[in-house]
Amino acid sequence: EPEVTQTPSHQVTQMGQEVILRCVPISNHLYFYWYRQILGQKVEFLVSFYNNEISEKSEIFDDQFSVERPDGSNFTLKIRSTKLEDSAMYFCASSDTNAKTRLGRGYTFGSGTRLTVV
Amino acid sequence: GNSVTQMEGPVTLSEEAFLTINCTYTATGYPSLFWYVQYPGEGLQLLLKATKADDKGSNKGFEATYRKETTSFHLEKGSVQVSDSAVYFCALQWNSGGYQKVTFGTGTKLQVIP
Repeated sequence: EPEVTQTPSHQVTQMGQEVILRCVPISNHLYFYWYRQILGQKVEFLVSFYNNEISEKSEIFDDQFSVERPDGSNFTLKIRSTKLEDSAMYFCASSDTNAKTRLGRGYTFGSGTRLTVV
Repeated sequence: GNSVTQMEGPVTLSEEAFLTINCTYTATGYPSLFWYVQYPGEGLQLLLKATKADDKGSNKGFEATYRKETTSFHLEKGSVQVSDSAVYFCALQWNSGGYQKVTFGTGTKLQVIP
């Protein structure tokens, strides 16, 4: 079964450093997402991406965050200057459905990148 | 706005016990409902789903029925195993402005002891 692949599985970084989290969505998917989960808390939406642009972002996704699809296969999340509170599990997800046509297929999530900011 | 509320954990059960994890939702329109599972150290996996009222989703012995009259999607399993120990997330999916949106519950940790 097709998978969403995320690398690295765990990254430790110093506060103030830039990090790039990488995702390879399923190849025929068109919609891409980043979510995060602070330890022991709920899964929170960060951003959705379609047709090479951000379609929606949450209030968490401030100017320190950016996303990019640099080469047609990778989908990256960059945090420009990490803070301690950015420590979380970051999940990438993709889907092939348009809400107006086939709602309910659900997203396919990657296994996550655990980011630890020290 | 749309939201999901699920029961607080952790839930601790003995092997072969009956499991219920409650989930209720608030939504306008006709959302889809999902249960995701997160095993220790792993990512989110889709467990089951239901796309309209009275649908029953099932997988790996787990079941949940989409009940519009009670706005609920409770997860059940007749006989849990130690390998079912994980965090279970109820999720709501709907369309807004032409895009899918998903919101998750806070998760319920299940611990099954031998």
